Formats: sequence, structure tokens, C-alpha cells
Amino acid sequence: DTAVSQTPKYLVTQMGNDKSIKCEQNLGHDTMYWYKQDSKKFLKIMFSYNNKELIINETVPNRFSPKSPDKAHLNLHINSLELGDSAVYFCASSQTKGAGGYTFGSGTRLTVV
Amino acid sequence: DAKTTQPPSMDCAEGRAANLPCNHSTISGNEYVYWYRQIHSQGPQYIIHGLKNNETNEMASLIITEDRKSSTLILPHATLRDTAVYYCIVSMNYGGSQGNLIFGKGTKLSVKP
Repeated sequence: DTAVSQTPKYLVTQMGNDKSIKCEQNLGHDTMYWYKQDSKKFLKIMFSYNNKELIINETVPNRFSPKSPDKAHLNLHINSLELGDSAVYFCASSQTKGAGGYTFGSGTRLTVV
Repeated sequence: DAKTTQPPSMDCAEGRAANLPCNHSTISGNEYVYWYRQIHSQGPQYIIHGLKNNETNEMASLIITEDRKSSTLILPHATLRDTAVYYCIVSMNYGGSQGNLIFGKGTKLSVKP
């Protein structure tokens, strides 16, 4: 069973569109994250979220918004897509307290044309 | 910004030990050292973490110097499948903004036949 699953794996869309990427984890973790990996391969955190706190990286445009219907899901909504949004987006989860690391999904490659 | 310094690239012969160094001279007392790797086109994968003592698991060993200012990840018998970018990260091991993983540029390890 996939621990952290993202859909879709690939997404090609036109500038100006609104799109969503879904993420689900079956690990019972209480914190989830979204990371962006650009063409230079730098991984940057965008959001971290648990049921108490949403932490937003201040460099993330407000066109990006996380939505969490429950503890096991953290979806990423992107409005008015721009060419510069093209990247690979990774979802991850972790347990807030305790040992162990993050578990990452396999990524969603977003291409804006 | 990442609080670690790693060599940009390293080579290792298949079957030999791969020793990946990391400097983290500004690490604070409650920060852990985490290692992740990212194989091409996949999500980052947790390898190991430690606070003060050396750690070993089925994937690797982590050696942390007594002053905690540097560490070494050891892959005892590297295989071609270990070719990846390896990230050394210092972080508090709980969620929220202080516990977020901040990725640097990592070390690209190439295991050669």
C-alpha cells in the first residue's frame, strides 16, 4: 500500500487555469506538507499543516492554498496558473511528536503552457 | 536557508563503502541531524537521523562527531541503485515551522560499476 499518494502524477494545463493536486496519507500522521521542486532541483517547503496550525512559507503566492478535509488529506489548489508554477510538487507527512522522518509522495509534475 | 554544507558531488565504486560528509557547525542542542536521499524522478526518501549518538539501521550508519558540528553518512556496500542526491538536514523533530525540513543542495552520489 502506498503510504503517501498524490494524484495526478502528471498535469499539463494552460496559463490562467485553476487546478488541484490531491494528497492522501495512510500512516496516521498528524502533519502534512507541500514542497515544490523547481527546474534547478531545489526543494522548497510551501506549507506545513496539522489540525492546529497552518504554516505558510511567506514566499508562496496567495494563488496557492492548501485544503485539508481531514487529517489524512491535504490538497493543493492553485488559481490563475502561471508559467513559473511549472515544477514538481511533493506532498509529505510526519508525526509531530516522536522520532522518524517525513514520508514523501512520488510527486506531481505540473507543466503550465 | 539550509544550515548544512555538503560537497556537491562524489563518486563511489560499486561494493565499496560510500562516506558522505556534512558540516553543521551552527547546530543547536535540540536539533537532530537527518539524512534523506532523492533518486532521480522520485520523492525524497528518509534514511536515518540522530541527535548525539551514532545510529545504524538497515540502510546506513550515521556518525556524529562529539561536538556535533559534523556528521558522516555511511552506506556500507554501495550499489548502483544508491546513485542519488543525498541531503543532510538539521531540524527539530517536531512539526510546525521549527520542525520543517529545509533542504539544501545535497551531494550527488554516483555509484560506478
